[in-house]
Amino acid sequence: SYVLTQPPSVSVAPGKTARITCEGDNIGSKSVHWYQQKPGQAPVLVIYYDTDRPSGIPERLSGSNSGNTATLTISRVEAGDAADFYCQVWVSSSSDHPVFGGGTKLTVL
Amino acid sequence: QVQLQESGPGLVKSSETLSLTCAVSGGSVRSGSYYWTWIRQPPGKGLEWIAYIYYKGITNYNPSLKSRVAISVDTSQNQFSLKLSSVTAADTAVYYCARGDSGGGDFQHWGQGTLVTVSS
Repeated sequence: SYVLTQPPSVSVAPGKTARITCEGDNIGSKSVHWYQQKPGQAPVLVIYYDTDRPSGIPERLSGSNSGNTATLTISRVEAGDAADFYCQVWVSSSSDHPVFGGGTKLTVL
Repeated sequence: QVQLQESGPGLVKSSETLSLTCAVSGGSVRSGSYYWTWIRQPPGKGLEWIAYIYYKGITNYNPSLKSRVAISVDTSQNQFSLKLSSVTAADTAVYYCARGDSGGGDFQHWGQGTLVTVSS
């Protein structure tokens, strides 16, 4: 089965840049989607197709994907960015299905 | 704007069947462009895909749950449903319904989630 590996936690000071990685076998060949989830809320799509932002998502959030690592970058981090972030891909094996990473808790110091 | 809303019992007894419904508004479950999906999240843990139903009733289940899960769609009510049998405490989770795009596989629309607790 396909596994996506994320660091459990990332800490960053306000105004700095946070990078959250998502590792998977040849993930660069897949479309990666990222979700932000705040406590008690449903996940919100923040990046899709590796680099695209849905309407309403600030340009401070960006994505990249190459080789075995996809990265979500949050520039000029704000206190309100604190949340859990999940990466997700769609896997085609015996049958197509979505796979989520284990999630990364972003702490703003 | 598409909206999804889960409904169902918040408490289910161990060994019984969990049943949830997701009402869809602002879009049609008849659409062949989307995967109508159930995802769950145990307390303090990550997201786990459960099942989806697709165009003309094509279904797919997480292999780890396949023997206990059934997903169905009711086009007359514009909703889809989940049944999970023989539940245990490990099935305690927030259950989300979501719409997956068949093009890229992203989930732009989610329900608010409903907590289901399995009691002994």
